Amino acid sequence: QVQLVQSGAEVKKPGASVKVSCKTSGYSFNGHDINWVRQATGQGLEWMAWLNPKRGHTDYAQDFQGRVTITMDSSISTVYMEVRSLRSNDTAVYYCARGSGSWFDSWGQGTLVTVSS
Amino acid sequence: SYVLTQPPSVSVAPGQTAKITCAGHNIGDKSVHWYQQKPGQAPLLVVYDNSDRPSAIPERISGSNSGNTATLTITRVEAGDEADYYCQVYDVTTDHYVFGSGTKVTVL
Repeated sequence: QVQLVQSGAEVKKPGASVKVSCKTSGYSFNGHDINWVRQATGQGLEWMAWLNPKRGHTDYAQDFQGRVTITMDSSISTVYMEVRSLRSNDTAVYYCARGSGSWFDSWGQGTLVTVSS
Repeated sequence: SYVLTQPPSVSVAPGQTAKITCAGHNIGDKSVHWYQQKPGQAPLLVVYDNSDRPSAIPERISGSNSGNTATLTITRVEAGDEADYYCQVYDVTTDHYVFGSGTKVTVL
């Protein structure tokens, strides 16, 4: 079955960087985009970025352009999301989600990133 | 950028029908998708392409979309339906995805 398994929770200081992984299995890695979605505590879902594994193409929401980078290692069917220059309002749960058509049909379990001095 | 507006909360008695709206400019021209999120869990796709359901989702949950409003309808509401619900579309003008603000469904 389709699975997206994310790396564990992180605690970072302001100004640091964090890299979250999303290991996929149960389907052809090149066949679906991987998206990243953020959810601050008690807040709604916010789409951040997507990666097309077949073409290696990425695109980012304006709020994350220049500070977030999505990469992949196709040999292990894993996608990475790095956020640089962390600030306190980056504290959130970050989800990876598989794209299917224009919707997200499978989600990772989420990774809590806490930014605190 | 494209904006989706949902009511913050909807309350419904068990066995009754809950309707959750998602408003957007000419949203009827887009494909709308809906997610259910329970506390501490990842979102779960419950409706895609306006009205289609993944195989594991019961027929009590349905979607519609016309004009400037898409609607998620839950009939015969159960305690287990208590969750946050989000609508989502793909904005072709930006090649980006947009979520609604979310609606908390409370079962009385």
